[in-house]
Amino acid sequence: QKEVEQNSGPLSVPEGAIASLNCTYSDRGSQSFFWYRQYSGKSPELIMSIYSNGDKEDGRFTAQLNKASQYVSLLIRDSQPSDSATYLCAVRGNTPLVFGKGTRLSVIA
Amino acid sequence: NAGVTQTPKFQVLKTGQSMTLQCAQDMNHNSMYWYRQDPGMGLRLIYYSASEGTTDKGEVPNGYNVSRLNKREFSLRLESAAPSQTSVYFCAISAGPGANYGYTFGSGTRLTVV
Repeated sequence: QKEVEQNSGPLSVPEGAIASLNCTYSDRGSQSFFWYRQYSGKSPELIMSIYSNGDKEDGRFTAQLNKASQYVSLLIRDSQPSDSATYLCAVRGNTPLVFGKGTRLSVIA
Repeated sequence: NAGVTQTPKFQVLKTGQSMTLQCAQDMNHNSMYWYRQDPGMGLRLIYYSASEGTTDKGEVPNGYNVSRLNKREFSLRLESAAPSQTSVYFCAISAGPGANYGYTFGSGTRLTVV
């Protein structure tokens, strides 16, 4: 059984701070790693993908991957109240995406 | 959720009733998926179709059937609904079954079985 683990939160950060979200996965054969954002009552929205070890930056978002440690993280710089949502980590090889249960982020103004 | 249309958006069923959830896409993607999302359980895969003409079971297929009608449409059928099937159902698509493809989700169907 492939597993993706996330801290459920809530993670509370003040506006302007860096939010750090973490994810571990069990399948060493995993090849691709994704972060989705889900607002309450809405569907998941893809915000970042990463395929190789290291960092990948897109605007205020940075995804980090360490395959040796089976660890993926998402950093959100200059957090805004509009970033308050649940963040889902998802992992796949040549099989469908497996999702973590998500971390709820609350950015306090 | 441009590109992936789910119908209906809301539905209330009585135990034992049947219904079909519809998903249609206009992005010409090959792969389509059905997930359910329950509080504290995350997104769990019910069935998927890697390409037109193929379907496969996911993590939680019991109580469901699917049909890949054509490249655009992938339906999920509940033959005899049970309260345990109360959930939010999401259809998702990807350009292919390969690892590098992320998913685009529909807006979801909120189903209550009483």
